[in-house]
Amino acid sequence: SQTIHQWPATLVQPVGSPLSLECTVEGTSNPNLYWYRQAAGRGLQLLFYSIGIDQISSEVPQNLSASRPQDRQFILSSKKLLLSDSGFYLCAWSDVRINGYTFGSGTRLTVV
Amino acid sequence: AQSVTQLDSQVPVFEEAPVELRCNYSSSVSVYLFWYVQYPNQGLQLLLKYLSGSTLVKGINGFEAEFNKSQTSFHLRKPSVHISDTAEYFCAVSGLNAGKSTFGDGTTLTVKP
Repeated sequence: SQTIHQWPATLVQPVGSPLSLECTVEGTSNPNLYWYRQAAGRGLQLLFYSIGIDQISSEVPQNLSASRPQDRQFILSSKKLLLSDSGFYLCAWSDVRINGYTFGSGTRLTVV
Repeated sequence: AQSVTQLDSQVPVFEEAPVELRCNYSSSVSVYLFWYVQYPNQGLQLLLKYLSGSTLVKGINGFEAEFNKSQTSFHLRKPSVHISDTAEYFCAVSGLNAGKSTFGDGTTLTVKP
C-alpha cells in the first residue's frame, strides 16, 4: 500500500534562518506531488506541485522554493524565513487518474 | 480556473442529530469533487469523491454527498453525527485534466453532547 511520510512534525525557527521540509512517498511511482500551506483558521493554499522529477510549478510568488530530486521525494526550502511563513505545511500526493489526494501528517512551523 | 465556497464556517450540532455541510463550486469545465476531513494537528483524509456516474456518493464514517450540476453544489450530509465527527471539513474541486485541487476555506463541525 502507499504511504506518505512528512517530517519534522513541528519546527520553531528564527527569522532569517533557512528551512528544509521533506516529504517522501512509498508504494507508488511517478506520483503528482504537492505542497500546501494552511494558515491558522483558514483554508489550504497551494504552494507548489510537481508532475515529475525536476518538473515543478509555483503557484504563489514568495521566498519559498521546492525541489524534486527523486521520483518520490519532494522538498520545500527557504533561504531566509519570514514571520509570515509560519503555518501548517502539508505535503500530498495523487496518481495521474486524479482520484483525490493522500496527505502527510503535516509540519507545524513557527517562525519567531 | 475553479473556485469553491463553503457556505458555513462553523456548524454546531447536537449528537445524533443530522447535519449538512454546504459546498458550492464554480468552474467553466467539468470537474471532480471531493470532501476531506481534518482532525486537530493532522493532515487531511479523503472522505468521499465524485468522479462520474451516480450523483449520490457514499464515503467513510457514514457520510454521503450529492452532486448537483445545475446548482453547482456538492453538499455533505450525515443522518446522525457522533462526538467523534468533530473536525474541520474541506470541499475541493479539480478539473478533469488538472491534478491540482482548489480547496474551500473549511467548515468547523462541532458535535455537542
